[in-house]
Amino acid sequence: KAGVTQTPRYLIKTRGQQVTLSCSPISGHRSVSWYQQTPGQGLQFLFEYFSETQRNKGNFPGRFSGRQFSNSRSEMNVSTLELGDSALYLCASSTHRDQETQYFGPGTRLLVL
Amino acid sequence: AQTVTQSQPEMSVQEAETVTLSCTYDTSESNYYLFWYKQPPSRQMILVIRQEAYKQQNATENRFSVNFQKAAKSFSLKISDSQLGDTAMYFCAFMRGQAGTALIFGKGTTLSVSS
Repeated sequence: KAGVTQTPRYLIKTRGQQVTLSCSPISGHRSVSWYQQTPGQGLQFLFEYFSETQRNKGNFPGRFSGRQFSNSRSEMNVSTLELGDSALYLCASSTHRDQETQYFGPGTRLLVL
Repeated sequence: AQTVTQSQPEMSVQEAETVTLSCTYDTSESNYYLFWYKQPPSRQMILVIRQEAYKQQNATENRFSVNFQKAAKSFSLKISDSQLGDTAMYFCAFMRGQAGTALIFGKGTTLSVSS
């Protein structure tokens, strides 16, 4: 069974731009969570989606948003990029039955210049 | 609020040796899960082992085992017969036993395995 996939793997943007990252969960997984990883703040939770509904949200500004499609694929969007948004963005998926175990994708590295 | 603390920023071990990584957590929840993930230089986050809080038996996965001390809120990872491929950042993580909740990670321990 294929793992979690994330596209693109690398991105370079400039301040003020916006970016959209994509995540395809493991087949059959309906929950998708997003995390931001930076050297200073470590791993921080952004939001979680299940059946196209956001169930939980972390402490990030409104510039960070997401959505989930009917096929469980998820996207996250960051508008008005800031230098501090440079990070590794990780997506994780889990099943409805085994919802407490999250399996991660390879991540998208975003560099904001 | 839940917190996860990993007090060892870096550790090193030689091949075939055993190493133990420490993790403590703080929570008032009774239903929760604990995890160890490893993140090698590729940055791919890989699940190593998981422990359900309601289970008294310590989880094991091949060379990896945990020492779960619920009263002390301690969750250490023992790696036996260390291999070069075990070189990675190891993260301890906590999750409440409720749908849609987030993983709360510690700061990580960088483990270096040398020959």
